[in-house]
Amino acid sequence: QTVVTQEPSFSVSPGGTVTLTCGLSSGSVSSSYYPSWYQQTPGQPPRTLIYSTNTRSSGVPDRFSGSILGNKAALTITGAQADDESDYYCVLYVGTGIWVFGGGTKLTVL
Amino acid sequence: EVQLVESGGGLIQPGGSLRLSCAASGFTVSSNDMSWVRQAPGKGLEWVSVFYSGGSTYYADSVKGRFTLSRDNSKNTLFLQMNSLRAEDTAVYSCANLKGRAFDVWGQGTMVTVSS
Repeated sequence: QTVVTQEPSFSVSPGGTVTLTCGLSSGSVSSSYYPSWYQQTPGQPPRTLIYSTNTRSSGVPDRFSGSILGNKAALTITGAQADDESDYYCVLYVGTGIWVFGGGTKLTVL
Repeated sequence: EVQLVESGGGLIQPGGSLRLSCAASGFTVSSNDMSWVRQAPGKGLEWVSVFYSGGSTYYADSVKGRFTLSRDNSKNTLFLQMNSLRAEDTAVYSCANLKGRAFDVWGQGTMVTVSS
């Protein structure tokens, strides 16, 4: 069974930079998993931030960037703002019509 | 504008059935890959199923054999038939269209509560 790992929580200061990661319990994440990232605030549907590792979705500011760092996918937020305080989810396409979400990272901006 | 609106959720007893709908506007369901994702109260996102434009369907192991996808092209709507419902199926169910291998536009979701 594929398990996708994310940090349960993270904290960043306003104006700071934070990198959230998305890994596999067994193995390395590569672009062939088509990692994508989503932002969710309470009571709202997810908002698509990044797809195919590093492509920003329409309307997403360039403060958000995606990459592969070592053996994980990564979401970097540069110049964090108060309204970046959200839950962030990554998802990996593990093949043949199957996706697996990570458990999500709760980001606090303070 | 691309928009997805889910409906059909509600309170259902364990073992019961529900059919969820995902009505699309601004694009054609049959020409797009479509997926369902759920989120249990206070929990994270869980991928449920995908309906490829070519007609293939895939399901998460947790729902395989109990959930079935279908679509009505005339209504531009995707359906999720959920049978043999369990307490652990309680969640907000959202549909989304796929852009490549990513979820693009999301609906607001519909709540399903399985409880006696």
